[in-house]
Amino acid sequence: QVQLQESGPGLVKPSETLSLTCTVSGGSISRYYWSWIRQSPGMGLEWIGDIHYSGTTNYNPSLKSRVTISVDTSKNQFSLRLSSVTAADTAVYFCANRREVIGAPFDSWGQGTLVTVSS
Amino acid sequence: DIQMAQSPSSLSAFVGDRVNITCRASQSIGRDLNWYQQKSGKAPKLLIYDASTLQSGVPSRISGSGSGTDFTLTINSLQPEDFATYFCQQSYRTLFTFGPGTKVDIK
Repeated sequence: QVQLQESGPGLVKPSETLSLTCTVSGGSISRYYWSWIRQSPGMGLEWIGDIHYSGTTNYNPSLKSRVTISVDTSKNQFSLRLSSVTAADTAVYFCANRREVIGAPFDSWGQGTLVTVSS
Repeated sequence: DIQMAQSPSSLSAFVGDRVNITCRASQSIGRDLNWYQQKSGKAPKLLIYDASTLQSGVPSRISGSGSGTDFTLTINSLQPEDFATYFCQQSYRTLFTFGPGTKVDIK
């Protein structure tokens, strides 16, 4: 299994853009789908979206207007940008992967990073 | 969206007990149901996929069953390391959704 590690600011101001990066090690990013999932006390676990190394993306419709997920195969990284954040976006953000098979689960997860939205 | 419900929301059990956690989907999802274990401050860990297939390295006292809309996670002979929160997740539709979790603690 690959290892994943999230990185990025732990504090973001309201109305600004949250940016996180997930670095993949122990395997190539040029396979699998690469996901972002968040967890908050109020919303539980919420899938944000994912990206295939080819660039194909899938987004949660509830967040689609504010989310961009991108991949950098040269760095074995993928990234999340969430715009116009509010306090409701405060959560632990996880990156994870799933196989390129219909119905595949999330095999590997990063340790998670807490992002707080506050002025 | 496919809504996932779990019951109970929490339970207390002794070491050695058998525990059942149920998960219900708002529509049929075939066998595209996965179970995760999460301990405090850690990421979820995949236990079971395709409703009943044990992930590599997961002890055989843990099992899953069900299809369609109703699924069960069973832990036989509960061990100290099993006290955690358990989540189900449907992978039938790309808008992946999780259950609210079941917290298992020590009685």
